[in-house]
Amino acid sequence: QQQVKQSPQSLIVQKGGIPIINCAYENTAFDYFPWYQQFPGKGPALLIAIRPDVSEKKEGRFTISFNKSAKQFSLHIMDSQPGDSATYFCAASGMNRDDKIIFGKGTRLHILP
Amino acid sequence: DAGVTQSPTHLIKTRGQHVTLRCSPISGHKSVSWYQQVLGQGPQFIFQYYEKEERGRGNFPDRFSARQFPNYSSELNVNALLLGDSALYLCASSPATGWNEKLFFGSGTQLSVL
Repeated sequence: QQQVKQSPQSLIVQKGGIPIINCAYENTAFDYFPWYQQFPGKGPALLIAIRPDVSEKKEGRFTISFNKSAKQFSLHIMDSQPGDSATYFCAASGMNRDDKIIFGKGTRLHILP
Repeated sequence: DAGVTQSPTHLIKTRGQHVTLRCSPISGHKSVSWYQQVLGQGPQFIFQYYEKEERGRGNFPDRFSARQFPNYSSELNVNALLLGDSALYLCASSPATGWNEKLFFGSGTQLSVL
């Protein structure tokens, strides 16, 4: 019940394409859903996050779509660039001070030039 | 402004040894948390500290311990190292307003246990 299942494990997209990464969760107590981007040799960096009171959030070329009834959320990257090649992690957490954050296993994204 | 800094960046130990990893949070951040990231996996929560008090612990054995100092820096200690402890250890800091909101990660300490 504490897992966050992420797919696909890896993804290759042509430059300009729209990669989509999906995550699913079970715990209905989760109410904070961030996405992190990690480059080799670096720690994860927060990309965008959503709360379950909205179904979509856009920040630049990055969009989160959220489906509360299905307990699923996804990351879309518009006009993808080779510099977007990285590993992406979804995560979920409650917003109480003692809640733990759970990360998905990651998606390795490669954008072809 | 400096980000989250971790030291050392790389470490090689042998089984049974003890290791101490260090983390300095972003200035003004009072919450520090530690994560273990095994190759090919997402970060796994180990500990969270706020104002020098442990506020959360993940599913890790008692060989793992941590503490936070008055200047909000933190140490992660691992005793009796096992081969399976080989991983990237990440530290993150966050503003006090929300524990898991806006986590800022350091680049980690790569621990290899031989």
